[in-house]
Amino acid sequence: EDKVVQSPLSLVVHEGDTVTLNCSYEVTNFRSLLWYKQEKKAPTFLFMLTSSGIEKKSGRLSSILDKKELFSILNITATQTGDSAIYLCAGNQAAGNKLTFGGGTRVLVKP
Amino acid sequence: NAGVTQTPKFQVLKTGQSMTLQCAQDMNHEYMSWYRQDPGMGLRLIHYSVGAGITDQGEVPNGYNVSRSTTEDFPLRLLSAAPSQTSVYFCASSYAAGGTSYNEQFFGPGTRLTVL
Repeated sequence: EDKVVQSPLSLVVHEGDTVTLNCSYEVTNFRSLLWYKQEKKAPTFLFMLTSSGIEKKSGRLSSILDKKELFSILNITATQTGDSAIYLCAGNQAAGNKLTFGGGTRVLVKP
Repeated sequence: NAGVTQTPKFQVLKTGQSMTLQCAQDMNHEYMSWYRQDPGMGLRLIHYSVGAGITDQGEVPNGYNVSRSTTEDFPLRLLSAAPSQTSVYFCASSYAAGGTSYNEQFFGPGTRLTVL
């Protein structure tokens, strides 16, 4: 059975801090690892990672995948209160567009 | 484009009642799916469809039915609601994946369902 595990479950930081979120996966016929941000409503897409060791960046967010050790990390630098959200990672199989999600990490950024 | 729309936004049911959650998209996406989200469990796939007339089960299909008569619509039916189905339900759509490509899934705003 496919499984995606995220850690920590939650964390509280202050503005300006850096956070690192972890995601380990066991997905049959793995193709890609995705990160989503979920505020009050629907998840919104952040990154898709398919190759090991290649960092993807978008502003203060970056992510990297290790296909040998089966994990990914999401870094957020110089955090702002607007980064407060649940961050979800998901594994995608080679067949179709099916996603297996982790339980999410809840991030709270205090002013 | 309205994107992915879901109705209703909120619903309260009694145990044993049936209802249909509606999902529609106007992006001509072939792939549509239903997820449920429970606290601390991320999103779990209920059913999905790769095109009109084609549906398949996901991780947690029991107690739910789907059909896909048009490209635009993908309703989710609860046959006999149970308290364990209390959850937030998200519909998502994307272009069909082909070969080694993954196509980003766009999520609807969700339906919060409570079964008493």
